[in-house]
Amino acid sequence: DTAVSQTPKYLVTQMGNDKSIKCEQNLGHDTMYWYKQDSKKFLKIMFSYNNKELIINETVPNRFSPKSPDKAHLNLHINSLELGDSAVYFCASSPQGSEQYFGPGTRLTVT
Amino acid sequence: QKEVEQNSGPLSVPEGAIASLNCTYSDRGSQSFFWYRQYSGKSPELIMSIYSNGDKEDGRFTAQLNKASQYVSLLIRDSQPSDSATYLCAAYDTGGFKTIFGAGTRLFVKA
Repeated sequence: DTAVSQTPKYLVTQMGNDKSIKCEQNLGHDTMYWYKQDSKKFLKIMFSYNNKELIINETVPNRFSPKSPDKAHLNLHINSLELGDSAVYFCASSPQGSEQYFGPGTRLTVT
Repeated sequence: QKEVEQNSGPLSVPEGAIASLNCTYSDRGSQSFFWYRQYSGKSPELIMSIYSNGDKEDGRFTAQLNKASQYVSLLIRDSQPSDSATYLCAAYDTGGFKTIFGAGTRLFVKA
């Protein structure tokens, strides 16, 4: 029974396109996150939602827009994709202030 | 800027040896610390959490925390080739409501 799931697992697209990544957790956690892991493997937080409310919005281009329809779902929409957006995007959930549970990741390649 | 620093490695140890992974953190207010393991192409998974000064043992893993020195370590006893992975140290930023990850240390266990 998957705890944090993401779709799609792989995403290959061209510059300028718009794409979405979906995330769902069945752990009952209040907080969900989006992270970006670049080619150097550094894991950087992008957004955090607590009970559907945005609580963290790091310095991320406004081409990235998260949406949380309910506390079990956190989606990420990216407009006008650029080459530099190529990375692995991880969704995670946690009880506030505690350990995080990561989804399997979405490998985005922009050509 | 709150940071978690780790030696990127690679750290290479022979099978059966003790692997010692270290990190330091800049935010003296952090109270929660975590070690995650990330295999190549996979998502990070939590292996240890520690909240109090001293040692915490779980099987072959021991986490150590020294808040006065702002230092966290992870010892892996009887290292196995299957322990070869990148180990991410993380600290929870209470004021920022987010977890700050180090860049990770790559560990190789040679058979």
